[in-house]
Amino acid sequence: DGGITQSPKYLFRKEGQNVTLSCEQNLNHDAMYWYRQDPGQGLRLIYYSQIVNDFQKGDIAEGYSVSREKKESFPLTVTSAQKNPTAFYLCASSGPGHRVGGYTFGSGTRLTVV
Amino acid sequence: DQQVKQNSPSLSVQEGRISILNCDYTNSMFDYFLWYKKYPAEGPTFLISISSIKDKNEDGRFTVFLNKSAKHLSLHIVPSQPGDSAVYFCAASDGSGAGSYQLTFGKGTKLSVIP
Repeated sequence: DGGITQSPKYLFRKEGQNVTLSCEQNLNHDAMYWYRQDPGQGLRLIYYSQIVNDFQKGDIAEGYSVSREKKESFPLTVTSAQKNPTAFYLCASSGPGHRVGGYTFGSGTRLTVV
Repeated sequence: DQQVKQNSPSLSVQEGRISILNCDYTNSMFDYFLWYKKYPAEGPTFLISISSIKDKNEDGRFTVFLNKSAKHLSLHIVPSQPGDSAVYFCAASDGSGAGSYQLTFGKGTKLSVIP
């Protein structure tokens, strides 16, 4: 079955540490996205990538970094520069016709800074 | 500047009745609109979409209405079921250039269907 896998589901980070969230898809989608969800805030776009080796900043990219070395993988690094990293992080992908059929989302990673 | 607004954070409806979730937008370049459903600690799942050239789209119990002149859309769920209890996000897409890859989401409305 095709889908998006995010790991881990729960992640704890000490202040000052970088941490990397994994996102893998086997849908053969070209585009991939990272969103952040905070209570009452909806989904805010961090980074997106339309093709391999290319990515663009979203609305809240500060303190985050990404790479897109393979079509299937779009890892997100939350750096120590991110002032308030505790949140629910969602990865998504899209293929042709996404504007009609939407994105496919992973099940999310909840990051907590301790 | 919030381009997609869901002004009702929550909504409670009796089982079997109609649920109406509303969404307003400000960007005239949006030409596709989507609704997602999200359970706690899970990713959103796509429900239904509508193109700006239409004013209605139906899929089973779900119907989306679009009023372009008012920049308003709504999702109707009839009849509502307890399993519909979730957070519903409205999203919009601008078809021009790089923006066509991005969805702009509202803050969501939490629907509670009471048995």
